Amino acid sequence: AQSVTQLDSQVPVFEEAPVELRCNYSSSVSVYLFWYVQYPNQGLQLLLKYLSGSTLVKGINGFEAEFNKSQTSFHLRKPSVHISDTAEYFCAVSYIQGAQKLVFGQGTRLTINP
Amino acid sequence: DAGVIQSPRHEVTEMGQEVTLRCKPISGHDYLFWYRQTMMRGLELLIYFNNNVPIDDSGMPEDRFSAKMPNASFSTLKIQPSEPRDSAVYFCASSLLLAGYNEQFFGPGTRLTVL
Repeated sequence: AQSVTQLDSQVPVFEEAPVELRCNYSSSVSVYLFWYVQYPNQGLQLLLKYLSGSTLVKGINGFEAEFNKSQTSFHLRKPSVHISDTAEYFCAVSYIQGAQKLVFGQGTRLTINP
Repeated sequence: DAGVIQSPRHEVTEMGQEVTLRCKPISGHDYLFWYRQTMMRGLELLIYFNNNVPIDDSGMPEDRFSAKMPNASFSTLKIQPSEPRDSAVYFCASSLLLAGYNEQFFGPGTRLTVL
């Protein structure tokens, strides 16, 4: 069965510092991978996705993620964060076959301190 | 496009009352998902529809929960009777299965409080 583990429930960083949010998944078959962001009191919106091809994926707001098949990871990074990046970030996975459902991780709350 | 629309945005009710949450998906989308988000359990998929037909309701917690999609532009999630443990944010999401993957678009959510 698929599962997604976000290793950090909370990540505090200072403004303009780099950040990495970690995500590991378990699946015996090929998957699609996603990062969603949830700003306070809002729904989730897609930040970036990995479907195939280059393992480095760039998304909105300067975020990027790297797919590592051997380590079954899809970590999210940003070289310099801004106060406006304060949000909850969710990693999600779906099977390539039967890709309708998404399995979400527990989320990582990113807090940016001035 | 207006995006996924959910109503109400907030609902406060008393234990035992019936609660109906509503969702209007993005026009043209053929999948609709209902999720529940709580601090303890995170984001849980309750049920999803394809072309108005329920495909997987294995996440529906119990018989008190029911969902319908009478047409392509409207879905409801009903809880009857409601209990305090149903308090959560309920999200609706819709998608169009393109090129084998499913990018889901989420509504703003309905925050339900059952007293």
